[in-house]
Amino acid sequence: ETGVTQTPRHLVMGMTNKKSLKCEQHLGHNAMYWYKQSAKKPLELMFVYSLEERVENNSVPSRFSPECPNSSHLFLHLHTLQPEDSALYLCASSQFSGSSSYNEQFFGPGTRLTVL
Amino acid sequence: GIQVEQSPPDLILQEGANSTLRCNFSDSVNNLQWFHQNPWGQLINLFYIPSGTKQNGRLSATTVATERYSLLYISSSQTTDSGVYFCAVYNAGNNRKLIWGLGTSLAVNP
Repeated sequence: ETGVTQTPRHLVMGMTNKKSLKCEQHLGHNAMYWYKQSAKKPLELMFVYSLEERVENNSVPSRFSPECPNSSHLFLHLHTLQPEDSALYLCASSQFSGSSSYNEQFFGPGTRLTVL
Repeated sequence: GIQVEQSPPDLILQEGANSTLRCNFSDSVNNLQWFHQNPWGQLINLFYIPSGTKQNGRLSATTVATERYSLLYISSSQTTDSGVYFCAVYNAGNNRKLIWGLGTSLAVNP
């Protein structure tokens, strides 16, 4: 595998289900991101992990719960979602160079989520 | 906060035509990326370009940071160039957050 991978690619879930999205980066980076992309809206940054520590949480509802067990893996745990949470969820990674500088971001193919 | 505006919002080209996409930003930036999102949703890195000009095959980009804009040139367009082109910038005050434009939706017809 190369680059950034995401599984599953498509997910349909009911509002009472619990599911998880997985992201893995094979680029040796130390920062990872979750984004949400809804139709006709700019990409929304949800969470940033740098050196496995969460450094940004953009007022995301608690029904989205991120987990970063190591610098290569990132999860997004989902529970009791709403239909308006249906969107494309994108994972990205970059290298944090230690001077508050996060460099070029590389994206996975995304998980297209539908909440019924 | 910083605003990123892309133009045009939509563009239709005949295969073989050239085009220029523009990205304006309202404040100082540390860096700028251009992406192509294909019809399946994959965001593909085109350029990481804080200033100056870069070329990659039929694509080239120029960023003039002092005048707060960047241009993406597509020459001899192909149907595989269809998709949405995004510009995203790192605000000078917050390097962890990419600020995104709304994109230019490009359709190249055979």
